[in-house]
Amino acid sequence: AQTVTQSQPEMSVQEAETVTLSCTYDTSENNYYLFWYKQPPSRQMILVIRQEAYKQQNATENRFSVNFQKAAKSFSLKISDSQLGDTAMYFCAFINNTPLVFGKGTRLSVIA
Amino acid sequence: SQTIHQWPATLVQPVGSPLSLECTVEGTSNPNLYWYRQAAGRGLQLLFYSVGIGQISSEVPQNLSASRPQDRQFILSSKKLLLSDSGFYLCAWSVVQINEQFFGPGTRLTVL
Repeated sequence: AQTVTQSQPEMSVQEAETVTLSCTYDTSENNYYLFWYKQPPSRQMILVIRQEAYKQQNATENRFSVNFQKAAKSFSLKISDSQLGDTAMYFCAFINNTPLVFGKGTRLSVIA
Repeated sequence: SQTIHQWPATLVQPVGSPLSLECTVEGTSNPNLYWYRQAAGRGLQLLFYSVGIGQISSEVPQNLSASRPQDRQFILSSKKLLLSDSGFYLCAWSVVQINEQFFGPGTRLTVL
């Protein structure tokens, strides 16, 4: 069974600084997708970024980028120029041919 | 564009009472639909998913049930609520199972 592990329950970062959230996963599949979701205090789940496993190039979306290491089964999220609005729970998720598998989340606090 | 609606937004129910949460999707046809539950400060637990009308897969045995009476309507029900049913319920949709899921605004359920 696929599993997703987020080893950092909580993190904090100063406004305008850069922070990296870690995610590792376990699968025997070769083709799959990985996602980072953001859940702000409103609790709406918002897709931040996605990565297809067959693509070697790391996905980027404005201030958000990933470091995808397929051999190591690692998928970290880097947030540059952190803003107060980035304060949220961040969930890493994996999908192959089964419904999404989520990690337990990392609570990120951006401090002014 | 596609939108997903959930109602009610907030619900307080006594133990033993019935439950009906509704989710509808607009702007797409034959979506895959999902129900998740999120306990306070924790990750997402997949409850049910559906790939078509009348097709429901249950991930966790419990006193909840789901139905899909129409293509873009997904209902979560219970005949008798338990205290442990309290939580935040999220509905999501995707085009095909392999792609990212898009979430509704959620329903906060408190069972007293």
